[in-house]
Amino acid sequence: DGGITQSPKYLFRKEGQNVTLSCEQNLNHDAMYWYRQDPGQGLRLIYYSQIVNDFQKGDIAEGYSVSREKKESFPLTVTSAQKNPTAFYLCASRTASSGNTIYFGEGSWLTVV
Amino acid sequence: DQQVKQNSPSLSVQEGRISILNCDYTNSMFDYFLWYKKYPAEGPTFLISISSIKDKNEDGRFTVFLNKSAKHLSLHIVPSQPGDSAVYFCAANSMGGGSQGNLIFGKGTKLSVKP
Repeated sequence: DGGITQSPKYLFRKEGQNVTLSCEQNLNHDAMYWYRQDPGQGLRLIYYSQIVNDFQKGDIAEGYSVSREKKESFPLTVTSAQKNPTAFYLCASRTASSGNTIYFGEGSWLTVV
Repeated sequence: DQQVKQNSPSLSVQEGRISILNCDYTNSMFDYFLWYKKYPAEGPTFLISISSIKDKNEDGRFTVFLNKSAKHLSLHIVPSQPGDSAVYFCAANSMGGGSQGNLIFGKGTKLSVKP
């Protein structure tokens, strides 16, 4: 089945550690996105990538890094510089034929302990 | 400053009645609007959209109305069902692309449909 796969679903991290969240899509979508959801805050854009080997900062990029070496993959690293990393992270993708509609993965819960 | 606002954090409706979720925006460059539905611990799913050349779009029980002069849109669900209970996000962007091509989301409205 085509879709967007995020892993792991749940992740615990100790303070001071980096952690990488995986996002893979087999939809052949060009653009990929990372959002963060906090209670009462809606969805905020962390990073996005329109094409391979190119990505741009979103509204809350500090403390995060990404790479886009392959069209189907857009991993997000939450670094120790991120002050409040505990959140629900959502990966999404879009292609020109979907217009302005983006499609989301199932999300990853990150908890810092 | 919030460009997309959902001023009601929650809404409770009786099963079979109409649910009306509201959304306001401030950026006059926005010309495409979407509604997403989200269950806890899941990714949002696309529900319905509307471009600024229309003032209404209907899909089954879901209808979105757009009032450009008021910079306001609303999602109507008729009749409401218990399975509609979820958080609904309004989103907007500009089809002109660039950074405006990225979706800007409201904070969501939690809809509870009671049997």
